[in-house]
Amino acid sequence: DAKTTQPNSMESNEEEPVHLPCNHSTISGTDYIHWYRQLPSQGPEYVIHGLTSNVNNRMASLAIAEDRKSSTLILHRATLRDAAVYYCILRPYGNKLVFGAGTILRVKS
Amino acid sequence: EAGVAQSPRYKIIEKRQSVAFWCNPISGHATLYWYQQILGQGPKLLIQFQNNGVVDDSQLPKDRFSAERLKGVDSTLKIQPAKLEDSAVYLCASSLSAGGPGGELFFGEGSRLTVL
Repeated sequence: DAKTTQPNSMESNEEEPVHLPCNHSTISGTDYIHWYRQLPSQGPEYVIHGLTSNVNNRMASLAIAEDRKSSTLILHRATLRDAAVYYCILRPYGNKLVFGAGTILRVKS
Repeated sequence: EAGVAQSPRYKIIEKRQSVAFWCNPISGHATLYWYQQILGQGPKLLIQFQNNGVVDDSQLPKDRFSAERLKGVDSTLKIQPAKLEDSAVYLCASSLSAGGPGGELFFGEGSRLTVL
């Protein structure tokens, strides 16, 4: 399974943008970049995914580097409810989802 | 739309006892997954079903863990006998299919097992 590298933890202020980085230098052409998050005492939830182009949805934006060796999840205005563990996952087409340790995001009011 | 349902939410047992967890996926979802999440770690896939057939059980400790998905809907995960290291949250997830570029997984809230 292709490996991703994320910071162990990050901190942000409420109502400010948050940029969560992910490095995946060994990504292959068939790997989709997925982001899930896990709120305290809940199961993970899907955030966003992409292949080559930047993606936006109601939850977040995903910026993918041109060489695809890194990506950034962008939360445009962090709220206290965004405090969670964020997982960056490489998923080959149709393959299983393999979680790493993720980034713990803390949001300060 | 109802989400993935799991029960029980919490279970405490003595080592060497047995335990079973139940999962009801989202209606119409063909693929069902069981993950194990030990405190402080990311979830680890134990088994994946496509309808009622097993697609991947490479990380399932088959000497003590078993899972079934009768009729391709509900699923049960059993541990017998339990060990201390089985203390974890057991997460069930489902998706419309295993394939496709997205294949978004929907997770239940999990069943927390404590083995004493």
